[in-house]
Amino acid sequence: GAVVSQHPSRVICKSGTSVKIECRSLDFQATTMFWYRQFPKQSLMLMATSNEGSKATYEQGVEKDKFLINHASLTLSTLTVTSAHPEDSSFYICSARGSGTPSTDTQYFGPGTRLTVL
Amino acid sequence: RKEVEQDPGPFNVPEGATVAFNCTYSNSASQSFFWYRQDCRKEPKLLMSVYSSGNEDGRFTAQLNRASQYISLLIRDSKLSDSATYLCVVNEGTGRRALTFGSGTRLQVQP
Repeated sequence: GAVVSQHPSRVICKSGTSVKIECRSLDFQATTMFWYRQFPKQSLMLMATSNEGSKATYEQGVEKDKFLINHASLTLSTLTVTSAHPEDSSFYICSARGSGTPSTDTQYFGPGTRLTVL
Repeated sequence: RKEVEQDPGPFNVPEGATVAFNCTYSNSASQSFFWYRQDCRKEPKLLMSVYSSGNEDGRFTAQLNRASQYISLLIRDSKLSDSATYLCVVNEGTGRRALTFGSGTRLQVQP
């Protein structure tokens, strides 16, 4: 149990376009979802935390108007990168925590989405 | 100063070797600790939690020293499949329960 999926796994887009990434908990209810970003050879950096039905809490330095997060249901959170630029190219990974998992304190990670902005 | 610091490596070891990684964290109020493994271009996967009394899972042993604020991971009898980046991860115990990741230590096990 505790499977998290992400879609798409890979996306290439032109500069200025918006990209939506979906994160789904397939077999549990994700009360909290986290969005991370990882640049090459660097650690995962938390971007924001979202609780179902609430506004996301963004980390310092992360623009909430650029990275729109929606967590409208207990199984789905979306991250929209608006007006993407080449410097937004990165590996975006979501994780989820919630009830019905082997450990409610453990975060379960999605497989990640590799975004390349041309 | 980074919140979670690790030696980036790489550690190049022969099969069968024993290898140890250390990690230090800056927030003394941190509550829980983990080692994750990340393969190239993949998501991190939980390897093991780290408990104050130390814990072992097969060939892997994790230890926590709260007084010195460091965590260690020992891998015995290294396998080729152990080649990966090992991430030291800390839950700082804030309300949002987010994880803080170290930048990882790269291990390459050679035949």
